[in-house]
Amino acid sequence: KAGVTQTPRYLIKTRGQQVTLSCSPISGHRSVSWYQQTPGQGLQFLFEYFSETQRNKGNFPGRFSGRQFSNSRSEMNVSTLELGDSALYLCASSLSRGMGIQYFGAGTRLSVL
Amino acid sequence: GESVGLHLPTLSVQEGDNSIINCAYSNSASDYFIWYKQESGKGPQFIIDIRSNMDKRQGQRVTVLLNKTVKHLSLQIAATQPGDSAVYFCAENESGGSNYKLTFGKGTLLTVNP
Repeated sequence: KAGVTQTPRYLIKTRGQQVTLSCSPISGHRSVSWYQQTPGQGLQFLFEYFSETQRNKGNFPGRFSGRQFSNSRSEMNVSTLELGDSALYLCASSLSRGMGIQYFGAGTRLSVL
Repeated sequence: GESVGLHLPTLSVQEGDNSIINCAYSNSASDYFIWYKQESGKGPQFIIDIRSNMDKRQGQRVTVLLNKTVKHLSLQIAATQPGDSAVYFCAENESGGSNYKLTFGKGTLLTVNP
């Protein structure tokens, strides 16, 4: 069974631009969560999607948004990029909500210049 | 297991020794805990999990201990191998509420010397 797939693996953008990251969960998994990882703040929760609805959101500005499609694939979007948005963005999927192992993809490394 | 600022706690062991990685969690309502291993350039990889109704759980070469009284988790790795070198994170989740998210510790860097 294929794991969580994130595309692209690397992105370079400039300040003010916007970016869209994609995540394909493990087949059969319906919950998708996004995390931001930086050396200073570690792994921080962005949001969780289940059944095409955002169920939970972390403490990030409105420039960070996402969506989930009917096949459980998810995208996250960051608008008006800032230098501080440079990070590894990780997607994780799980069978359902509540308790359960979240399986992570390899991440998308975003660099904002 | 908790770090301050940019500095990860580090643990250096010899190959074949046992390793113990500690983690203090923050939410007394958390009832599900996971340990992840992250190698350079990869996403976190599941190692072992434990629910709050258990004190101990064993896997292959790994054991997780949970002390709810002091909100402390530990991961024990037996016969540590060079391939175990990575950053290890504990994560907690409060499953009973409407929030389903993992809250991660800052991580511990484990280095295994051959």
